[in-house]
Amino acid sequence: GAVVSQHPSWVICKSGTSVKIECRSLDFQATTMFWYRQFPKQSLMLMATSNEGSKATYEQGVEKDKFLINHASLTLSTLTVTSAHPEDSSFYICSAKRWGEGTDTQYFGPGTRLTVL
Amino acid sequence: GENVEQHPSTLSVQEGDSAVIKCTYSDSASNYFPWYKQELGKRPQLIIDIRSNVGEKKDQRIAVTLNKTAKHFSLHITETQPEDSAVYFCAASNAGGTSYGKLTFGQGTILTVHP
Repeated sequence: GAVVSQHPSWVICKSGTSVKIECRSLDFQATTMFWYRQFPKQSLMLMATSNEGSKATYEQGVEKDKFLINHASLTLSTLTVTSAHPEDSSFYICSAKRWGEGTDTQYFGPGTRLTVL
Repeated sequence: GENVEQHPSTLSVQEGDSAVIKCTYSDSASNYFPWYKQELGKRPQLIIDIRSNVGEKKDQRIAVTLNKTAKHFSLHITETQPEDSAVYFCAASNAGGTSYGKLTFGQGTILTVHP
C-alpha cells in the first residue's frame, strides 16, 4: 500500500502557457502533500506544503501566484505552473503523508518532467 | 530554517567495499532523518530512517547512525554491489512541529560501485 501517482509523467509546452500536474494518493488518504522541484543533478527543493482544505504554505522564494496549488480532497493535490517559461523546466515531484498513520514517512510520486520550449 | 549538508558529493568504490555518506543538520529540533536512493529519472526511494531517540539502526547491509549532540548522521552500506549505484540523499525534519514534517534534503551523493 501507500502508492502515490502523478499525471502526466512528462509534458512539453510552449512558453507562456499553463500546465497542471496532478498528485494522487491511490490507496490512502493524505492530509498533507508536499511539492518538490528538482533541477538536473541537483537535490530536491521543497516548493510548498499542501493541506487538504487549506491554503498551501510556500517556501521562501517560491512565487505563489506562479505555482498554484490546490488540495481539494484527501487524495488529490494539483500544481499549476502558470505562464511557464523555459527556466521552469524541471522535474516536479510530490509526496504525501498518510492520514492517521502516526509516522513521519513521506510517500513519493514518480515525478513529472516539465519541458518549456 | 533547517540546513542539511551532505558529503561527499561523489563516491566511487569497488564491489564488496563499504561506503559511508555523512550529513550534518543545523536545527536541533529536527527529530526524523530518512535516507533516500534515487535512480535517474525516478522517484526517491526510502531505504532507511532514524528518529532522534535512537542512535543506530540497521537493515541488512544498510545502517544509519545519529549523533544528536554533534548534529550529524551517517549512512553506511556494506558489501556494496553494482546495483547500489545511484544518488543518495539524506534529509531532516521536525516531525512533530508546525511544519507538518517537511523534509530538508542534503545535496546528494553520487555513488558508483565498480564491478
